[in-house]
Order: sequence, then C-alpha cells, then structure tokens
Amino acid sequence: KAGVTQTPRYLIKTRGQQVTLSCSPISGHRSVSWYQQTPGQGLQFLFEYFSETQRNKGNFPGRFSGRQFSNSRSEMNVSTLELGDSALYLCASSSSIRDTQYFGPGTRLTVL
Amino acid sequence: GDSVTQMEGPVTLSEEAFLTINCTYTATGYPSLFWYVQYPGEGLQLLLKATKADDKGSNKGFEATYRKETTSFHLEKGSVQVSDSAVYFCALSSSGGSYIPTFGRGTSLIVHP
Repeated sequence: KAGVTQTPRYLIKTRGQQVTLSCSPISGHRSVSWYQQTPGQGLQFLFEYFSETQRNKGNFPGRFSGRQFSNSRSEMNVSTLELGDSALYLCASSSSIRDTQYFGPGTRLTVL
Repeated sequence: GDSVTQMEGPVTLSEEAFLTINCTYTATGYPSLFWYVQYPGEGLQLLLKATKADDKGSNKGFEATYRKETTSFHLEKGSVQVSDSAVYFCALSSSGGSYIPTFGRGTSLIVHP
C-alpha cells in the first residue's frame, strides 16, 4: 500500500507571496492532519480534516488555511508569507479520527 | 494540558551500545503512547506504540513499555547500529478531550562506527 505523499518536496518563495501544499493520504484513510516543524518550536499541529470538514485547528493565524476533497486529498495554503513560515510542513493520515497517524515525507518551505 | 518530556540530546553512542531515551508524560485519562523516528530529510515514521498500561511496543529491535505508575514510556534498544542515527519523538494521544497527538521535542541519536 502506498504511503502518504506530499508535493512539492521543496519550495522557495519570497515574503508576501502565497503557497499551496498538497497531500495524498494512504488509500482508504479519511483523516488528514497538518503539522509545522521548526527547530525552535518543534512539531506544532495546524489542523485536521475528516470527510471534507475541518475537525480541529491549532493555534495559527488565519493566513494558514486548508481544505480536503472528496477523495480525501488535502491542500493547505499559506497567504502573505513571512520569513518565520520557513519550516518543514508534514501531513499525516489516519483511517479515522483518533487512529494512529502515518506521516508523509514533508514539504520543505523556505521563505526569502 | 497534555505534555511530553524527552531527554535532551544529542545522545552519542558507539555501535552495539545499549540505548535508552527517556520519555515521561502528563495526560488525563489513559492515553495511547507512541515513538516516531525521523531520518535526515524525511518525515516521521511510526516506530512503535502502546495503548494501555503495561503494554510493550516493539519493532526493529526497539522496545518501550507503558508505565502508568511512573507515567513513562522509555525507548530502549540492546545494540544500536549506525543506521539508527536519527531523531526520535515520543508522543501521546489522549483518550478523552483532544485526541490530537502531543509530541515531545525530539531526541537526536548519533551512532558512531
């Protein structure tokens, strides 16, 4: 069974731009969560989607948004990028909420 | 709220040495406990998990036992290899309230030949 895939793997943007990251969950998994990983803050939860609905949201500004499609694929969007948004963005999928999460390889975003 | 505390790294060992990475937690109810591993340039991989007290999770020679009395979930391996060099994350998922996993800060392991 294929794992969680994330595209693109690497991205370089400039301040003020916006970016969209994509995540395809493991086949059959309906829950997708997003995390931001930085050396200073560690792993921080962004949001979780299940059946196209946002179920949980972390403590991030409204510039961070996401959505989930009917095939469970998910995208997250960051608008008006700031230098501090440079991070590894990880997507995790699970068969349902409360189930074990399986992570993708991440998208490395660099904001210049 | 829930929290996970891991020992500070890096942990530096010689090949075939015994490994222990300490993890303690604070949570309400009976959380599930996890160890994830992150190799350089990659995402997190689930290494092992335990869902109730006294359960032992094991995988690839790594073991951890869910100790409710000491609220701990220490990771151990009897003989490490250079290929085990990575960052290890302890995490919990509460049974009640928010089930979103809470992660520790990670412990870097460096194994020398």
